[in-house]
Amino acid sequence: DAKTTQPPSMDCAEGRAANLPCNHSTISGNEYVYWYRQIHSQGPQYIIHGLKNNETNEMASLIITEDRKSSTLILPHATLRDTAVYYCIVAFSGGYNKLIFGAGTRLAVHP
Amino acid sequence: DVKVTQSSRYLVKRTGEKVFLECVQDMDHENMFWYRQDPGLGLRLIYFSYDVKMKEKGDIPEGYSVSREKKERFSLILESASTNQTSMYLCASTRTDTYEQYFGPGTRLTVT
Repeated sequence: DAKTTQPPSMDCAEGRAANLPCNHSTISGNEYVYWYRQIHSQGPQYIIHGLKNNETNEMASLIITEDRKSSTLILPHATLRDTAVYYCIVAFSGGYNKLIFGAGTRLAVHP
Repeated sequence: DVKVTQSSRYLVKRTGEKVFLECVQDMDHENMFWYRQDPGLGLRLIYFSYDVKMKEKGDIPEGYSVSREKKERFSLILESASTNQTSMYLCASTRTDTYEQYFGPGTRLTVT
């Protein structure tokens, strides 16, 4: 599976957009980009995933660059409850659906 | 609403004890996983199962075993607990056609 690189921490003001970057320069053609988050003392929670097109759901938007070597997770209006560790994971479609979690980005949303 | 439940939120055991951690999912998912999470090391996969009675080793299986006798239940067993197995244990499940894993709330195990 391709490795990912994320900044260890970020800050965001409440109500503003949080843009979390992820580099995955060794991604191959059949690998998806998945985003999860983990709020303190809880299990990780799935947010969104994509292959090459941009994706949006009720939680977030995922922007993948044309060369697929990087992506950005966007929380359009961050709230205090979005304070969490965010994981970017690359995984191919197939196999046993194993995920490899890195260190993630610790996002702090402040008033 | 989908649910993954784990038998205990907090557990304290003594060194050498046999420990059972239970996980149950109500989504009829084929795949189930056990992770442990430690500060600075992130989530690491211990074992996973893709069908009843089937299991595969993850990245750190040493000192652990698993059992999946029914589709909805996946058990993690510490045959002889040691202090270095003090950790947060997380269970997850997913269908075969997706990486959208659903996680339980976790069990914080302390071995003294």
